[in-house]
Amino acid sequence: SQTIHQWPATLVQPVGSPLSLECTVEGTSNPNLYWYRQAAGRGLQLLFYSVGIGQISSEVPQNLSASRPQDRQFILSSKKLLLSDSGFYLCAWTPTRPGNTIYFGEGSWLTVV
Amino acid sequence: KQEVTQIPAALSVPEGENLVLNCSFTDSAIYNLQWFRQDPGKGLTSLLLIQSSQREQTSGRLNASLDKSSGRSTLYIAASQPGDSATYLCAGPNYGGSQGNLIFGKGTKLSVKP
Repeated sequence: SQTIHQWPATLVQPVGSPLSLECTVEGTSNPNLYWYRQAAGRGLQLLFYSVGIGQISSEVPQNLSASRPQDRQFILSSKKLLLSDSGFYLCAWTPTRPGNTIYFGEGSWLTVV
Repeated sequence: KQEVTQIPAALSVPEGENLVLNCSFTDSAIYNLQWFRQDPGKGLTSLLLIQSSQREQTSGRLNASLDKSSGRSTLYIAASQPGDSATYLCAGPNYGGSQGNLIFGKGTKLSVKP
């Protein structure tokens, strides 16, 4: 069966510090991968998605970047965090073929202080 | 661009009650709609996925319907239990993106009191 893992689960970082959140998927190959953010009082917002290694699409302009160095690994990064980057970050995956549901990781809480 | 709205934002009911959560969307060309459950501080769990060719989907005490013409979907929970307490989100596809590119409502926070 397929599983998705993301870490760390909780992170408190000072403004201006770097960020790296990692996500891996097991039990499938060539998944579509996604990073969503859920900020307080707002709905889930898609930040990045990837349909293959090295292929990254950004949905909104921001202080963050994403990379996919391996087929089942997706990384969310920032060189210098802002207070507004605080939120709950969720990694997710879907099979390549259409019509399937989306599977989410357990999320990473980021607090920028 | 697709917009998804959920009402009410919060709902509190006594255990055993049947209840309906509402979701509306602006683009009736939707090809599927999904309902999710989110427990506090956790990720999302998919509950039901309704394809545009279907009118409803059922899983246990949950039944979700989709009416494309009116731009509405409902999630019906029968005989609610305290364990059903969570936030329920609906989501529709954001056209032009991959299948996981979804537009989410802000959710309905459900509290079922014993």
